[in-house]
Amino acid sequence: RKEVEQDPGPFNVPEGATVAFNCTYSNSASQSFFWYRQDCRKEPKLLMSVYSSGNEDGRFTAQLNRASQYISLLIRDSKLSDSATYLCVLNGNNRLAFGKGNQVVVIP
Amino acid sequence: GAGVSQSPSNKVTEKGKDVELRCDPISGHTALYWYRQSLGQGLEFLIYFQGNSAPDKSGLPSDRFSAERTGGSVSTLTIQRTQQEDSAVYLCASSKEWGSEQYFGPGTRLTVT
Repeated sequence: RKEVEQDPGPFNVPEGATVAFNCTYSNSASQSFFWYRQDCRKEPKLLMSVYSSGNEDGRFTAQLNRASQYISLLIRDSKLSDSATYLCVLNGNNRLAFGKGNQVVVIP
Repeated sequence: GAGVSQSPSNKVTEKGKDVELRCDPISGHTALYWYRQSLGQGLEFLIYFQGNSAPDKSGLPSDRFSAERTGGSVSTLTIQRTQQEDSAVYLCASSKEWGSEQYFGPGTRLTVT
């Protein structure tokens, strides 16, 4: 099993709709979790950290499920500007692991 | 405040030449990371620094790659005898401490002809 797995998509989402996707991980010792956003030909930018109790930032909700070893990101009321690739990043046992990203395309 | 900066932004070099890429992290950030990203691909982790030391160099693709960090600040990634497969965007990131939120620089786009 890969250290971090993400369905590359693309996730085609009508504008205004809700989209959610997961990132599964194999290292049960993973301690810190993050979602980053990467636009085409740009550097990744931190979107949000993921806390054990789940957290929300505006239209974005992140959750952690340690039992099933995945984190999720939900985007409500999708905007055209949400079109990007969303990368999950995990930190555990002094190792960083990056997923290859979920590509989201918001359609007008 | 100032973010992570990298130079040069673009570098075209001939196969066989050496190149040096520079990263200026956010002031006060103890951890610094180097990544490589080929077109349409995910991030490939190369190396990280905790202060001036690099505990794990296993991510470097070959012995042509080396990196150093001095004064707990600026880092350079050196690629010797460049090959065409080295062409990629080289990204640097820094964080307050290892494993915390990372902030990325704009990257150096390296093209080896």
